[in-house]
Amino acid sequence: KNEVEQSPQNLTAQEGEFITINCSYSVGISALHWLQQHPGGGIVSLFMLSSGKKKHGRLIATINIQEKHSSLHITASHPRDSAVYICAVRSGGAQKLVFGQGTRLTINP
Amino acid sequence: EAGVTQFPSHSVIEKGQTVTLRCDPISGHDNLYWYRRVMGKEIKFLLHFVKESKQDESGMPNNRFLAERTGGTYSTLKVQPAELEDSGVYFCASSYLGVNTEAFFGQGTRLTVV
Repeated sequence: KNEVEQSPQNLTAQEGEFITINCSYSVGISALHWLQQHPGGGIVSLFMLSSGKKKHGRLIATINIQEKHSSLHITASHPRDSAVYICAVRSGGAQKLVFGQGTRLTINP
Repeated sequence: EAGVTQFPSHSVIEKGQTVTLRCDPISGHDNLYWYRRVMGKEIKFLLHFVKESKQDESGMPNNRFLAERTGGTYSTLKVQPAELEDSGVYFCASSYLGVNTEAFFGQGTRLTVV
């Protein structure tokens, strides 16, 4: 079992829908990252969280340290949001990231 | 400011050949990481440099992989000899020193061993 699990693995929705992607982890962490990768593109950092909630535009990320769970929400989804969304954690004192398997999101017009 | 750049973007080589991947981190970033995604799996850590020193190389799969970061600037990852299972996308990331500093990723190098 991977230390970082994401769900769902694939998600297809219609433009305008509210999207939620979940991430659960089994280790103690110092930070959790949400990353985005468009087809053929590089990886872009969306959020880095160690507690609470962060918002950037239509994207919201939350984390519950006690439950070892984080969610990424997209409001008013748009076809340009179609990408792979990846959760990654920095565990304890280590600097390296441990990644989830990613969630492939497709938003249809 | 230039981001993290990786060369080449794609490489197709035959089994048994040698390939060298290069990563140029963002200027001033002392942390440099190599990661790899093989088909259908999650991205996995290979190693971490702090300046020119290997801080953690626990993710290197075997001794066919050699990473260097001479002078603490750009880094190379050499695979010699390449095997079919080495195919995947190799990502480089860099960050400033410090606790929980943001990592910036390169576009990746897609390596195909045939």
